[in-house]
Amino acid sequence: EAEVAQSPRYKITEKSQAVAFWCDPISGHATLYWYRQILGQGPELLVQFQDESVVDDSQLPKDRFSAERLKGVDSTLKIQPAELGDSAMYLCASSFGTSATNEKLFFGSGTQLSVL
Amino acid sequence: GESVGLHLPTLSVQEGDNSIINCAYSNSASDYFIWYKQESGKGPQFIIDIRSNMDKRQGQRVTVLLNKTVKHLSLQIAATQPGDSAVYFCAENKALPDSSYKLIFGSGTRLLVRP
Repeated sequence: EAEVAQSPRYKITEKSQAVAFWCDPISGHATLYWYRQILGQGPELLVQFQDESVVDDSQLPKDRFSAERLKGVDSTLKIQPAELGDSAMYLCASSFGTSATNEKLFFGSGTQLSVL
Repeated sequence: GESVGLHLPTLSVQEGDNSIINCAYSNSASDYFIWYKQESGKGPQFIIDIRSNMDKRQGQRVTVLLNKTVKHLSLQIAATQPGDSAVYFCAENKALPDSSYKLIFGSGTRLLVRP
């Protein structure tokens, strides 16, 4: 069964350092999402792409976070500089249709970030 | 503000019993709802979904009920097994003004299955 691939699985960094996470969605999925999940809470959307275009980045802290999906396939989420409060699970998800399609999302296993 | 919330943060059930996890949503215009299961250290896994033109949908050992009048969802798990131990999230696909959709998660219910 096709899966959303994410790497690294775990990342430990010191505050003020730069970190990057990678995601490869299920083949053929047009829409890609990055979510952040703080321990004990539900995932919260950071950014949503349809193909290579950003559909929604209203919750992305743009002073330190950036995301790209240059060729409309895989995607990278970057944090620079990392802060203690960024410690969380970063989840990537994808869906087959466009952002206007009402359908379920498929999630990867996530990257667990710890900022020391 | 927008929210999809759960009534109970932790549910403990005996193996073999049925489990019921409840969820309230706030956006009456939402027409698609999803239940996800998340095991420790893993990403959310799709369990079952339901659209607003239905009030019940069944899967393998799971049933989702939707009450649009009181904006309430429930997930029923029959004959709960140890492998069902996880955190369960309901999620609401909210329509945005630009005709796109945004999936909003609740805070989750932890299901503990006692042997």
